[in-house]
Amino acid sequence: NAGVTQTPKFQVLKTGQSMTLQCAQDMNHNSMYWYRQDPGMGLRLIYYSASEGTTDKGEVPNGYNVSRLNKREFSLRLESAAPSQTSVYFCASSGLRDNPNEKLFFGSGTQLSVL
Amino acid sequence: AQKVTQAQTEISVVEKEDVTLDCVYETRDTTYYLFWYKQPPSGELVFLIRRNSFDEQNEISGRYSWNFQKSTSSFNFTITASQVVDSAVYFCALSAMNSGYSTLTFGKGTMLLVSP
Repeated sequence: NAGVTQTPKFQVLKTGQSMTLQCAQDMNHNSMYWYRQDPGMGLRLIYYSASEGTTDKGEVPNGYNVSRLNKREFSLRLESAAPSQTSVYFCASSGLRDNPNEKLFFGSGTQLSVL
Repeated sequence: AQKVTQAQTEISVVEKEDVTLDCVYETRDTTYYLFWYKQPPSGELVFLIRRNSFDEQNEISGRYSWNFQKSTSSFNFTITASQVVDSAVYFCALSAMNSGYSTLTFGKGTMLLVSP
């Protein structure tokens, strides 16, 4: 029962390096999300994808790009990492984005440090 | 715009004490949903409860209970007879329709530390 799987779990980058965080869900969900969690800030939405082929900016999209590769996979890319992007990143999915009743299923998180 | 305020940054209690976590929300929507998620030290986010804006009945699940009051825009969470395993960060969240799609807004979380 995998649910939402994120890789890697930990990553250390140098300023300016690029990397892609991978996320896959096996629940046949339409909507997927990327959040970042910073101390004292709660979870903030970076990007989301209502369905395959669509992506939209969330609250804090600057410095990130996303790709909804297919219904299962939603990746987050940092083109040129900055120390301000040091955070814990969570991927999530839900059945329908146009239904506010939907609860989110979260991955286990990626702890990213940018030096 | 939606907003969720969890004014309590950190709460420390001794095991078996009751504790209430406060959540105040703001939204212009008449239909919305409120959630509580738990994040234990292991880091994963665990769904606890979902409530819609039309149902103001309090809910009890074992040692957990939730008090939803539209008049004060609050959705508070009480743990009765707390246990060490309740130590976690608890997030309140609000979901409403915004320009045709739903968005989930989280509060900043309350860290609960239950000591033996």
